[in-house]
Amino acid sequence: NAGVTQTPKFRILKIGQSMTLQCTQDMNHNYMYWYRQDPGMGLKLIYYSVGAGITDKGEVPNGYNVSRSTTEDFPLRLELAAPSQTSVYFCASSRTATETQYFGPGTRLLVL
Amino acid sequence: EDQVTQSPEALRLQEGESSSLNCSYTVSGLRGLFWYRQDPGKGPEFLFTLYSAGEEKEKERLKATLTKKESFLHITAPKPEDSATYLCAVRGNDMRFGAGTRLTVKP
Repeated sequence: NAGVTQTPKFRILKIGQSMTLQCTQDMNHNYMYWYRQDPGMGLKLIYYSVGAGITDKGEVPNGYNVSRSTTEDFPLRLELAAPSQTSVYFCASSRTATETQYFGPGTRLLVL
Repeated sequence: EDQVTQSPEALRLQEGESSSLNCSYTVSGLRGLFWYRQDPGKGPEFLFTLYSAGEEKEKERLKATLTKKESFLHITAPKPEDSATYLCAVRGNDMRFGAGTRLTVKP
């Protein structure tokens, strides 16, 4: 099992550009999550999904969009990138809402 | 609003010097408390899940405990390879993470 994989590992964007962060899990987990982590801060939940076709907003959803067409994949879309979106993005998955979340290795994004 | 506060922000220990990390929380209906280890440039790695006050879990040099208001991560006789940031998270209506404790263990 690869667990949770994320691509790319690192990306530089110009202000106003768009991109998609990819996340795939092979554990057949229903729940998937996107977090951002800023220096000295805890992880903040952006969006989550409880199953294919079902997504919901987290604590900091503005500027992001998600979709979940399959159990395995949960891409995060950034539209019109802004410097405030410079961060490290982590994808996670869990079998149920209260069980352990397993994290991917992260995507470091720099918006200039 | 659910909140998680970890202390201290940073901790420097000598190898073999035992200590504890604190995670204080306020949550409406605790559905789980989680400890993770995070190494620089990597994703959080799961350590423990605790679900009810009084529960304890151990793994090698680490032991996690839980009360109704806080959790402790006890580190016994730490080694340099235990150096990392330790994250605490609580699951209420959603998942809230603390900012972490950055642990450095000197040989």
